[in-house]
Amino acid sequence: GAVVSQHPSRVICKSGTSVKIECRSLDFQATTMFWYRQFPKKSLMLMATSNEGSKATYEQGVEKDKFLINHASLTLSTLTVTSAHPEDSSFYICSTRDPYEQYFGPGTRLTVT
Amino acid sequence: KQEVTQIPAALSVPEGENLVLNCSFTDSAIYNLQWFRQDPGKGLTSLLLIQSSQREQTSGRLNASLDKSSGRSTLYIAASQPGDSATYLCAVEEDDKLIFGTGTRLQVFP
Repeated sequence: GAVVSQHPSRVICKSGTSVKIECRSLDFQATTMFWYRQFPKKSLMLMATSNEGSKATYEQGVEKDKFLINHASLTLSTLTVTSAHPEDSSFYICSTRDPYEQYFGPGTRLTVT
Repeated sequence: KQEVTQIPAALSVPEGENLVLNCSFTDSAIYNLQWFRQDPGKGLTSLLLIQSSQREQTSGRLNASLDKSSGRSTLYIAASQPGDSATYLCAVEEDDKLIFGTGTRLQVFP
């Protein structure tokens, strides 16, 4: 299956700053990538679907101006959390898919102080 | 709106027991169903994927079944081991999106 990496694995930032998380598809050209968020002891919630070369599609309730997604190439999608607040602290996971299944990155733990 | 529920939410068993984890979904019009494993603070590892036309899949000590008409899937773990301790998530795919269940936290003690 496809190999997906995320960077950084862990980040701590101060309230009001912006943080960028990278998601790379290492051996597969991904026209579509997905961004999920997971609160402690909760399941994953899809935030947005990122499409290479076009705008991302956000799920209902997700602020597109706060969570900026860029999918500039077939191997890289980025999620930028702008003006982060403590309630944005969460575990963010990206995934890619081939025609049959999704492959997930290892996740990024964001802590906003 | 599709809703995915997993029962039980948590399970603690002694080593060697056979286990059944349950997953139910409200809309049977799914493309496939996947079972994942998540270790604390880690990403997801795909365990088994069942296409909508299939009824079960097996991998080693794991067996997953799918009954689309009743909106249910089960994950059977044979001869559980402490290394099986993790959170198990099921997810259904519809409209090119995965919708996750709430997970079952499994602890297998020696």
